[in-house]
Amino acid sequence: DAGVTQSPTHLIKTRGQHVTLRCSPISGHKSVSWYQQVLGQGPQFIFQYYEKEERGRGNFPDRFSARQFPNYSSELNVNALLLGDSALYLCASSLAGQGIYNEQFFGPGTRLTVL
Amino acid sequence: GESVGLHLPTLSVQEGDNSIINCAYSNSASDYFIWYKQESGKGPQFIIDIRSNMDKRQGQRVTVLLNKTVKHLSLQIAATQPGDSAVYFCAEKRWEYGNKLVFGAGTILRVKS
Repeated sequence: DAGVTQSPTHLIKTRGQHVTLRCSPISGHKSVSWYQQVLGQGPQFIFQYYEKEERGRGNFPDRFSARQFPNYSSELNVNALLLGDSALYLCASSLAGQGIYNEQFFGPGTRLTVL
Repeated sequence: GESVGLHLPTLSVQEGDNSIINCAYSNSASDYFIWYKQESGKGPQFIIDIRSNMDKRQGQRVTVLLNKTVKHLSLQIAATQPGDSAVYFCAEKRWEYGNKLVFGAGTILRVKS
């Protein structure tokens, strides 16, 4: 079975541009979470979506937005890119959206570089 | 703010030795802890977890110990192998935050052959 897939693998943008990152969860998983991992640090939670609704949001500015589609895939959008947005963006999927014991499976990430 | 931190940023061990990676967490309300392994170019991979009502859990070659008195978590890897070389993160969850994982900064494990 395919794991979590993310596209693109790498992306280079300039300051002020916007970017859209995509994630396909494991088949049957209905929850998708997004994390930002700056080089040398642990991942930071951005969003969780479950059944197309936002279920959690981390401490990120409004330039960050996301959505989940009927097939449970998800997009993360970042507007007005800053140099500090350069990071590995990870997507994780889980079967359920509630409770804390749901195992989350991570994709390989999208490496975003902002110049 | 919320944080889960690690004592040692880099750990070098000889192949075959046991490894111990430590983690301190700041919030005594944390309910669930998970250790992840992240290899270069990959996302974090689940290793082992432990609930806050437990103090020890064993898996294959790995053991997690939880000391709630001092808010300390450790991951023990027995007979460390070159394939264990990676960055290891502890992460925590709380019921009030649902599915959200709070990660620490990570420890680099290097296994010398």
